Amino acid sequence: AQKITQTQPGMFVQEKEAVTLDCTYDTSDQSYGLFWYKQPSSGEMIFLIYQGSYDEQNATEGRYSLNFQKARKSANLVISASQLGDSAMYFCAMREGGNNDYKLSFGAGTTVTVRA
Amino acid sequence: DGGITQSPKYLFRKEGQNVTLSCEQNLNHDAMYWYRQDPGQGLRLIYYSQIVNDFQKGDIAEGYSVSREKKESFPLTVTSAQKNPTAFYLCATRRGTMWNTEAFFGQGTRLTVV
Repeated sequence: AQKITQTQPGMFVQEKEAVTLDCTYDTSDQSYGLFWYKQPSSGEMIFLIYQGSYDEQNATEGRYSLNFQKARKSANLVISASQLGDSAMYFCAMREGGNNDYKLSFGAGTTVTVRA
Repeated sequence: DGGITQSPKYLFRKEGQNVTLSCEQNLNHDAMYWYRQDPGQGLRLIYYSQIVNDFQKGDIAEGYSVSREKKESFPLTVTSAQKNPTAFYLCATRRGTMWNTEAFFGQGTRLTVV
């Protein structure tokens, strides 16, 4: 069964505008971690932001913020003031399984294209 | 420099051959992972390892094998049993013990069956 669901295969956003990338997840664990990564066309994976299941506040890192709604099992990424360099594929990932299982699963990704 | 080294960057394989992709890390991380990425798609977990001499199957382990004889190394063998091996393969590591530690990725290996 799909653990991480990203329903938006592709999105266009105007430069300087904000964009929200959706991510829903499925787990029965109480402890888990959620990550967002960026993959430019070069193929490298760049870590953006982390949210823990027990974190009470939404995570923020510069222009990136995570809208965490635990009851809805949702961890959407918000990119504010989009830049041309933000054009890339974005992946949501989840670590679950407790201290003895380090499984890290990824969603299918969302391609973001920033227009000038 | 600390990091993850995947080699080779490009690899061509004839049908019916086994090939081994290398992943070496000097970050002293416990956990190591192999992912497969098809064009325009997400990362699918092949195998992962938490400690030396131990590893677990991911979601698409069929046709692949791994070993973890040293903490620094986690090679992936793509066997002839893998029906469609052409893809981009990414190796990753994590410190492992803390929930909030992110995964670090290598530069990837592009495997093409010719």
